[in-house]
Amino acid sequence: AQSVAQPEDQVNVAEGNPLTVKCTYSVSGNPYLFWYVQYPNRGLQFLLKYITGDNLVKGSYGFEAEFNKSQTSFHMKKPSALVSDSALYFCAVRVSYGGATNKLIFGTGTLLAVQP
Amino acid sequence: DAGITQSPRHKVTETGTPVTLRCHQTENHRYMYWYRQDPGHGLRLIHYSYGVKDTDKGEVSDGYSVSRSKTEDFLLTLESATSSQTSVYFCAISETSTSGGTLAKNIQYFGAGTRLSVL
Repeated sequence: AQSVAQPEDQVNVAEGNPLTVKCTYSVSGNPYLFWYVQYPNRGLQFLLKYITGDNLVKGSYGFEAEFNKSQTSFHMKKPSALVSDSALYFCAVRVSYGGATNKLIFGTGTLLAVQP
Repeated sequence: DAGITQSPRHKVTETGTPVTLRCHQTENHRYMYWYRQDPGHGLRLIHYSYGVKDTDKGEVSDGYSVSRSKTEDFLLTLESATSSQTSVYFCAISETSTSGGTLAKNIQYFGAGTRLSVL
């Protein structure tokens, strides 16, 4: 079965420290992977994606993610966390389904809390 | 929120009543989606559309129906609302383009959500 797992419900980090939010996936074929962020009472906002090419992709707000095919992972990182990064983060993978190849499966989300 | 308007933003209704949520886009994107967001489940796809009058079921479609009579509007209907349908509902849109045979865009853009409470 195709799936996405975010093993941590919450990640706590001090401001200025590096952060990592983990994501692993299971999908047939080449994966298209995404990270989204959700601030309170808002919809999801796109952060970054991996389609093909370099395993390290850079996205908005200084976030980056590393695709690792052998470990089927797509962990998101940031060198120096900000309090304003505190939000709910979702990893997603594109799957082919019926007539639409844009269907996404989302992980359950990881709440990032950055302490001042 | 990327030219997507969801209405209403909040709704409280009673069990057994019909409810329709509307998603309106100004981007002329082909694909539209309805998700529900629940704690511990992330986002789950209810229904999606790949063109006018072209719709299909997602993973949690029971109790929901959709319609898309125009490119810009995608309606989600709960024929007879139940308490288990209390949730936050998100609409999303996407467009796909190809470049050299490779899908170059798969990004979904989300509306601000509708918070539905079924009492």
